[in-house]
Amino acid sequence: DIQMTQSPATLSASVGDRVTITCRASQNIDKWLAWFQQKPGNAPKVLIYKASTLESGVPSRFSGSGSGTRFTLTISSLQPDDFATYFCQQYVTSSLSFGGGTRVEIK
Amino acid sequence: EVQLVESGGHLVQPGGSLRLSCVASGFTFNTYAFNWVRQAPGKGLEWVSGISPSGSSTFYADSVGGRFNISRDDSKKTVFLQMNSLRVEDTALYYCVRRNWCDIWGQGTMVTVSS
Repeated sequence: DIQMTQSPATLSASVGDRVTITCRASQNIDKWLAWFQQKPGNAPKVLIYKASTLESGVPSRFSGSGSGTRFTLTISSLQPDDFATYFCQQYVTSSLSFGGGTRVEIK
Repeated sequence: EVQLVESGGHLVQPGGSLRLSCVASGFTFNTYAFNWVRQAPGKGLEWVSGISPSGSSTFYADSVGGRFNISRDDSKKTVFLQMNSLRVEDTALYYCVRRNWCDIWGQGTMVTVSS
């Protein structure tokens, strides 16, 4: 099974900050990685798939990069609506796996 | 509107069974793979099971293999998760998701396993 490790687990930031979240895979997953945002009481929402493709309707301040085993999600200028938990997920095989999550909180 | 609606979650005793359903609307059901993903209260996301567009291939997490069975009925645009020999640790909100990169999520159905 492929293990996904996210860092940091919690991130404190202010509105306007540039924020970067890292996700590492235990083996090569090429670009088969998605990023999700989840707010309390809601289902996760996909932000990015295939490592860097922005889902329709997602603000352009979100971007993804990486391939192989190391990936990043960047929020270029943090907005009040962005305080949430973020998850990465690999789908190189049909046995999917998720990272443990990164909670972005207000500093 | 593209939508997935789950149902069937309930309070059940350890060792019991439940059948979850996920009804799809707003898209061509039989061309997509589907997965079940669960989230225990206050915890992260855990993939549970998946099924191919044809239904000929099914996949399970080690934690549920041999106890859970995923299936689909294209005529009813529905995905099912039959859950047997339920354990306390199966307690979670169960989401139905479309595609392996989980582009569409339902609202979830709560399964509570407790005596």
